[in-house]
Amino acid sequence: ILNVEQSPQSLHVQEGDSTNFTCSFPSSNFYALHWYRWETAKSPEALFVMTLNGDEKKKGQISATLNTKEGYSYLYIKGSQPEDSATYLCALPQGGKLIFGQGTELSVKP
Amino acid sequence: DTGVSQNPRHKITKRGQNVTFRCDPISEHNRLYWYRQTLGQGPEFLTYFQNEAQLEKSRLLSDRFSAERPKGSFSTLEIQRTEQGDSAMYLCASSFWTGNYGYTFGSGTRLTVV
Repeated sequence: ILNVEQSPQSLHVQEGDSTNFTCSFPSSNFYALHWYRWETAKSPEALFVMTLNGDEKKKGQISATLNTKEGYSYLYIKGSQPEDSATYLCALPQGGKLIFGQGTELSVKP
Repeated sequence: DTGVSQNPRHKITKRGQNVTFRCDPISEHNRLYWYRQTLGQGPEFLTYFQNEAQLEKSRLLSDRFSAERPKGSFSTLEIQRTEQGDSAMYLCASSFWTGNYGYTFGSGTRLTVV
């Protein structure tokens, strides 16, 4: 089964800090990578779907990059706010479904 | 369309009882997925449907678990003879075909087996 690894498992930052975390995956047979944000008591929400090596996507203060040759993606949050506190999940398709990493839990303190 | 809806939001049951969860996907989406999430882990794939056909079921899934999507619209997930290890968040998601634009998730059903 596809091995999708995320690091760190959790992160605690102060409001205003910029932060980043990593999703690692096998570089062979790459098709696409998905990033989701999952706030407590809400539904996981799709942030980005990335397909091309070198791809860079941005949504507000959140951006992501993709390196398919070395098998990693970075998610960056510039100037974290308490409302950015959530679990960030990456996932890759295998067969007809997504395989998720274990997530990075971000806590932003005011 | 109000998104993906899951019911109930929470379920507490005694060990050995059967439980059933319901998922109403986005009406235009032909694919529907069930995942299970436990503390500190990412969502773990259980099964998925394309229209009414169940295309894949995880090999990790016990025979006590069964899912249906009878008319290609809503889906139910039943767990028979629940065990404490079944306690988890059960997530449903839907997508249009392979989900190239991402999945739309429901809020989940939190199951606690006591």
